[in-house]
Amino acid sequence: NAGVTQTPKFQVLKTGQSMTLQCAQDMNHNSMYWYRQDPGMGLRLIYYSASEGTTDKGEVPNGYNVSRLNKREFSLRLESAAPSQTSVYFCASSEALRAAGVQETQYFGPGTRLLVL
Amino acid sequence: DAKTTQPTSMDCAEGRAANLPCNHSTISGNEYVYWYRQIHSQGPQYIIHGLKNNETNEMASLIITEDRKSSTLILPHATLRDTAVYYCIVRPPNTGNQFYFGTGTSLTVIP
Repeated sequence: NAGVTQTPKFQVLKTGQSMTLQCAQDMNHNSMYWYRQDPGMGLRLIYYSASEGTTDKGEVPNGYNVSRLNKREFSLRLESAAPSQTSVYFCASSEALRAAGVQETQYFGPGTRLLVL
Repeated sequence: DAKTTQPTSMDCAEGRAANLPCNHSTISGNEYVYWYRQIHSQGPQYIIHGLKNNETNEMASLIITEDRKSSTLILPHATLRDTAVYYCIVRPPNTGNQFYFGTGTSLTVIP
């Protein structure tokens, strides 16, 4: 099992350009997540997908869109990149998304390093 | 909002036990304590989690106090590869479905 994979590993964009970050998992997990991590800071949730066909906003969704293409794949799109979106982006997955107070272990990909000039 | 407090950094000699503390004084009765770590430039890695009882797996042990207001992650024989940022996470109520990672403890294992 590869676990959670992300492409690309690195990307440089100019302000205003668009791009899609790809994420796939082979653990048959129902739930998937996109986080961003800025230098010296913890991870912040952008969007998540509890199950195939559903997506919801996280803590910092502005400037992003997501698509849960199928159970395996969850993509993150930047329609018009801005320098403030320079960050490391992590995708994660978990078996299920349960009620508040019941945690599910999340497994993370290696990250995509994005620089917006 | 942060619900856990961890020291910013710690050192540990190689081969010795690393004890990483975490305070979570406002933890609710049904909230788990999770530990993740992040080795430089990599994605966070799950270590262990627990609710009330102490837990042990192949990576570490988790000791939770009886009142559940604090916990300690123990790496029994630290190696240089254990150098990483360690995150103690308790999910706050009514915040959806994310893990709040905070800034964690930067552990340096010294040869």
